[in-house]
Amino acid sequence: NAGVTQTPKFRILKIGQSMTLQCTQDMNHNYMYWYRQDPGMGLKLIYYSVGAGITDKGEVPNGYNVSRSTTEDFPLRLELAAPSQTSVYFCASSYFGRNQPQHFGDGTRLSIL
Amino acid sequence: DAKTTQPPSMDCAEGRAANLPCNHSTISGNEYVYWYRQIHSQGPQYIIHGLKNNETNEMASLIITEDRKSSTLILPHATLRDTAVYYCIVRDLIQGAQKLVFGQGTRLTINP
Repeated sequence: NAGVTQTPKFRILKIGQSMTLQCTQDMNHNYMYWYRQDPGMGLKLIYYSVGAGITDKGEVPNGYNVSRSTTEDFPLRLELAAPSQTSVYFCASSYFGRNQPQHFGDGTRLSIL
Repeated sequence: DAKTTQPPSMDCAEGRAANLPCNHSTISGNEYVYWYRQIHSQGPQYIIHGLKNNETNEMASLIITEDRKSSTLILPHATLRDTAVYYCIVRDLIQGAQKLVFGQGTRLTINP
């Protein structure tokens, strides 16, 4: 049981490039989330999904896109990378239910130069 | 959104109980208090949550005041591996999903 797996672990992009951060979970969780964490700060929600085919914006969605075609996968897309998107990105998942805890991956450390 | 206030840092001796306070004076009646921690640069780890009653699990205990305006996370016998940033979060429900709002947390250092 791997839990939440994120790839890649590290990446350096040039301004204007695009990339997809991958996230997959093997716990059959309905809900999935993407957060970003800037240095010394708490996590901020980018997008979330309550099930396959359903996504919605979080607190800081600008510059990102997501899709949820399967229960297991929730990729995050950066179309035109900007220096402000330099951050650590965490994916999480949870079961349906008001009080289910979120399980986090180990993060993707992304630098935009 | 109910906001939380935590001290930015705390120290505790190894083997002693670590008591981490959190103020959430604007919490509403149906909002739960969650605690997560983040060790070094890893993803956050769920610890415990509660509504009104005190809760205990294998990791920690959660004490919530009767007026629910504050709570305390207790690590009964802290070890060096408990050194982490601890986040107290009041859950904000959006469309049935959990929206966790992370503040800056308390950086807990366990000293040998």
